[in-house]
Amino acid sequence: EAGVAQSPRYKIIEKRQSVAFWCNPISGHATLYWYQQILGQGPKLLIQFQNNGVVDDSQLPKDRFSAERLKGVDSTLKIQPAKLEDSAVYLCASSSLAGVIGEQYFGPGTRLTVT
Amino acid sequence: TQLLEQSPQFLSIQEGENLTVYCNSSSVFSSLQWYRQEPGEGPVLLVTVVTGGEVKKLKRLTFQFGDARKDSSLHITAAQPGDTGLYLCAGARNYGQNFVFGPGTRLSVLP
Repeated sequence: EAGVAQSPRYKIIEKRQSVAFWCNPISGHATLYWYQQILGQGPKLLIQFQNNGVVDDSQLPKDRFSAERLKGVDSTLKIQPAKLEDSAVYLCASSSLAGVIGEQYFGPGTRLTVT
Repeated sequence: TQLLEQSPQFLSIQEGENLTVYCNSSSVFSSLQWYRQEPGEGPVLLVTVVTGGEVKKLKRLTFQFGDARKDSSLHITAAQPGDTGLYLCAGARNYGQNFVFGPGTRLSVLP
């Protein structure tokens, strides 16, 4: 079974530029998550999708971050414009069960450096 | 303020030693998970505990959920270099809510 795919693996941009990350979840997984993991911290949930609908985006900085999951499969996360404090690893995860004790499968992440 | 605290923050030990890492909170959790994250990879789920006082074993790893469901521990027996990584705990306050991650314990096992 193929795992969660993310691209690119690394991205370096200057502040005020835009960037987009792509995620392809495990086939059949209805729930998709985007997390931000700043160095030395645990992952912080940015947004959760159930199929192509948003379930939780309470911690997404909506003035600069946006995400979509067209057709309930792939997802993209965009930052526009980027700030220095956005430097982090952006992790995508998917699960077949939402909440409770559903197991999340994580992708390898995209490491973003904003200079 | 972190909902979940983990200690120690860093731990470096020799191969063959035993160790325990802790996950603590002032809040009660309906369930708690432990993950291991290796450099350049995403976290991988090790275990989920849901009952106060529950103990689960996974080969050399023993996980315990506190009686009051506010804390958990992970004990590793005879650590190996392959155990090196960032150990994260994540808790869900109520059924149906998403898990919130702690800051992790970074473990290094030296050969």
